[in-house]
Amino acid sequence: QVQLVQSGAEVKKPGASVNVSCKAIGYNSIMYGISWVRQAPGQGLEWMGWTSPYNGYTNYAQKFQDRVTMTRDTSTSTAYMELTSLRSDDTAVYYCVREGLDWNHDVLSGYYPAQDYGMDVWGQGTTVTVSS
Amino acid sequence: EIVMTQSPATLSVSPGERATLSCRASQSVSSNVAWYQQKPGQAPRLLIYGASTRATGIPARFSGSGSGTEFTLTISSLQSEDFVVYYCQQYNKWPLLAFGGGTKVEIK
Repeated sequence: QVQLVQSGAEVKKPGASVNVSCKAIGYNSIMYGISWVRQAPGQGLEWMGWTSPYNGYTNYAQKFQDRVTMTRDTSTSTAYMELTSLRSDDTAVYYCVREGLDWNHDVLSGYYPAQDYGMDVWGQGTTVTVSS
Repeated sequence: EIVMTQSPATLSVSPGERATLSCRASQSVSSNVAWYQQKPGQAPRLLIYGASTRATGIPARFSGSGSGTEFTLTISSLQSEDFVVYYCQQYNKWPLLAFGGGTKVEIK
């Protein structure tokens, strides 16, 4: 069964960092990109960034450019998202999502999927609570 | 920035009737639009990609249409499990991926 399994809930103080992991099961994860999406309580969905298949190139939403790092460990089929300098408004459920086959690059867009069929497999979500 | 605007925010429909959800992009996104369904306490689920292609395992009562800036998700005959929240998303312009604010479909 194709699935993404995320790490457990986290409680952090303002200014701290959080690292969320996401393990791919049931498919050849090296072929697919991974996006990260978050959802604040009672709010909509917000895309944070993407890591490419094969090489793990990254493309971050401008809002998170200076605070987020997304990486991948192909040997364990695991993706990671680290968010630093946490604030109370970072309290949210964080999802990893399978998105895109292969990758392309251009100066304007940066790295992006060569074939994109939407976000077709979602992790179960990791709740991150930021509170003093 | 690309803004995806969904309307209405809440749609009241009777079971068995048709629901039509709209999504407008602030600039052309070609046909690179996806629709997701989210049930309470669950992760979203992909329904439609490429504006009109149903994802694997999605019932035929869900259909998508549109291109450019105007998109529609239609649920032909609402079942009880369909009364939840739906999001559109553009993936044409990178790194400006954006979701709409969502439409909640409720029982009339």
